[in-house]
Amino acid sequence: AQSVTQLGSHVSVSEGALVLLRCNYSSSVPPYLFWYVQYPNQGLQLLLKYTSAATLVKGINGFEAEFKKSETSFHLTKPSAHMSDAAEYFCAVSEQNTDKLIFGTGTRLQVFP
Amino acid sequence: DAGITQSPRHKVTETGTPVTLRCHQTENHRYMYWYRQDPGHGLRLIHYSYGVKDTDKGEVSDGYSVSRSKTEDFLLTLESATSSQTSVYFCAISEGPPYYEQYFGPGTRLTVT
Repeated sequence: AQSVTQLGSHVSVSEGALVLLRCNYSSSVPPYLFWYVQYPNQGLQLLLKYTSAATLVKGINGFEAEFKKSETSFHLTKPSAHMSDAAEYFCAVSEQNTDKLIFGTGTRLQVFP
Repeated sequence: DAGITQSPRHKVTETGTPVTLRCHQTENHRYMYWYRQDPGHGLRLIHYSYGVKDTDKGEVSDGYSVSRSKTEDFLLTLESATSSQTSVYFCAISEGPPYYEQYFGPGTRLTVT
């Protein structure tokens, strides 16, 4: 069965520092991949998605993610963290021709001034 | 933002009472999902629907039932609430193939005392 692993339940960075949130998936067939963000007391919001069109995917709020088949990874990055980026981030995967997403357990990002 | 509303947004109920949560969409999307979110577990799928009157179980369906009599509404019922069902419940919608990307509602915080 498809699964997704997010390394690090908590990540802390200083404002202006690089943000790197890790996601690895398990699949012999490249799936569709997603990153979602959840701000406190809100629902999840789609940040970006990989649909096999391009390996480097740009999303909202300056985030981007790179699909690496050889590493089965889809890590999320942002060059310079803002205080407003503090939130929980979820990686999700779907296999082609299925109707569900499998979510990772999330990574909480803290940004310090 | 996708047109998804959930009601109620907050509810406190007693053990053993029935509870119904409602998800309403204005996007005419075919797929609808119910998740629960608990610390350390990320998002777990309870039930989902792939059309009017078409539903299927997710990974944590015990103690829950669903109904979908109209495209726009998806109801989640706890027949006899237990304290273990205290959680935040999210509804999501999806157009379906090819990517099945999901859009989330604002959530319902349920406390069972």
